[in-house]
Amino acid sequence: QSALTQPRSVSGSPGQSVTISCTGTSSDVGGYNYVSWYQQHPGKAPKLMIYDVSKRPSGVPDRFSGSKSGNTASLTISGLQAEDEADYYCCSYAGSPWVFGGGTKLTVL
Amino acid sequence: QITLKESGPTLVKPTQTLTLTCTFSGFSLSTSGVGVGWIRQPPGKALEWLALIYWDDDKRYSPSLKSRLTITKDTSKNQVVLTMTNMDPVDTATYYCAHAYGSGSYLGPWGQGTLVTVSS
Repeated sequence: QSALTQPRSVSGSPGQSVTISCTGTSSDVGGYNYVSWYQQHPGKAPKLMIYDVSKRPSGVPDRFSGSKSGNTASLTISGLQAEDEADYYCCSYAGSPWVFGGGTKLTVL
Repeated sequence: QITLKESGPTLVKPTQTLTLTCTFSGFSLSTSGVGVGWIRQPPGKALEWLALIYWDDDKRYSPSLKSRLTITKDTSKNQVVLTMTNMDPVDTATYYCAHAYGSGSYLGPWGQGTLVTVSS
């Protein structure tokens, strides 16, 4: 299976909102509501931020939200903060294996 | 509190077999719905899902690496072992293990990762 498609980079100023897209196919993103998003700071392990398309694990700020339309999932971060600067990866169930996106670097200007 | 830690060689030679161990605490791999997954990340590149083992010994593998991977568990030791045969320099990466849960087998938390370099 191919990796999900994400923009290589996005940026925003503190307080603004940014949206990161994750495009797959009907065999992964479009076929299941098992999309998740991970945040990774440099040199650190990834952290689960969103699961089941739009649910937040305990402890994740409600500034982070997820959605899906057709074969594209999205992660929106509102009220950007400096600590949100990181790499973000989407992940989808693809019928037994799972597949990650190529990652998006978020820069907070 | 759930914690996981990867261990294994930091350097392997091409064609050798890599064996990595994930030692965890804070959960049991005999609990229904729980799993442990392995993910890798080449330097400066994206995450790649490798394998996952469930509490009932159900195993899932990346189709592109299935012929080279084996995942096993030792519930009594709270360990999961991943072996990868015929290592190549392109397999140089940080290898992570992670607790998997939920209907979508979401990964969290993760271990700190271990960098494995493949070089002669």
